[in-house]
Amino acid sequence: EPEVTQTPSHQVTQMGQEVILRCVPISNHLYFYWYRQILGQKVEFLVSFYNNEISEKSEIFDDQFSVERPDGSNFTLKIRSTKLEDSAMYFCASSGRGAEPGELFFGEGSRLTVL
Amino acid sequence: RKEVEQDPGPFNVPEGATVAFNCTYSNSASQSFFWYRQDCRKEPKLLMSVYSSGNEDGRFTAQLNRASQYISLLIRDSKLSDSATYLCVVRDSSYKLIFGSGTRLLVRP
Repeated sequence: EPEVTQTPSHQVTQMGQEVILRCVPISNHLYFYWYRQILGQKVEFLVSFYNNEISEKSEIFDDQFSVERPDGSNFTLKIRSTKLEDSAMYFCASSGRGAEPGELFFGEGSRLTVL
Repeated sequence: RKEVEQDPGPFNVPEGATVAFNCTYSNSASQSFFWYRQDCRKEPKLLMSVYSSGNEDGRFTAQLNRASQYISLLIRDSKLSDSATYLCVVRDSSYKLIFGSGTRLLVRP
């Protein structure tokens, strides 16, 4: 069964460092998302991406965050200068081969720990 | 008011019990409705979509009341493997998913 894969599974970084989280969505999917979940809290929407551009972003997704689809297969989330409160599980998701997104398929997540 | 609000939980039930989870959502323009399951420190996984007419998948029954903006999930004959956090999820008009905080279920032997 096709799946969304994410790397790294866990990253520990120092505050102020840049972090790149990588995702390989399901082949031929057109819609891509990043969500995050702070430990003990709910899953929160960060950003959606379609047709090589951001279609929507939340208030959390400030200037420190960026997304890219550099090579047609990877979908990356970059945090420029990490803060302690960025510590969370980051989930990538992809969906849809048609005009509407359809069911989202989530990756297993990348756990980010900022010290 | 929270966008998606769920039962506080946790629910601690014996095997074989029937358990019901409730959820309300605030945006009447919400498009689609789902129940996801999340195991500890894992990704959310789709359990079932929720349709206006109500729908059933084995031991799981989901109901939607658009007028009351209310969603429910009923689990019959609980198994130990049903222990997880159940997330009520709403898709808004821009297609993004909005998650509730989840209700934790613990099924004991």
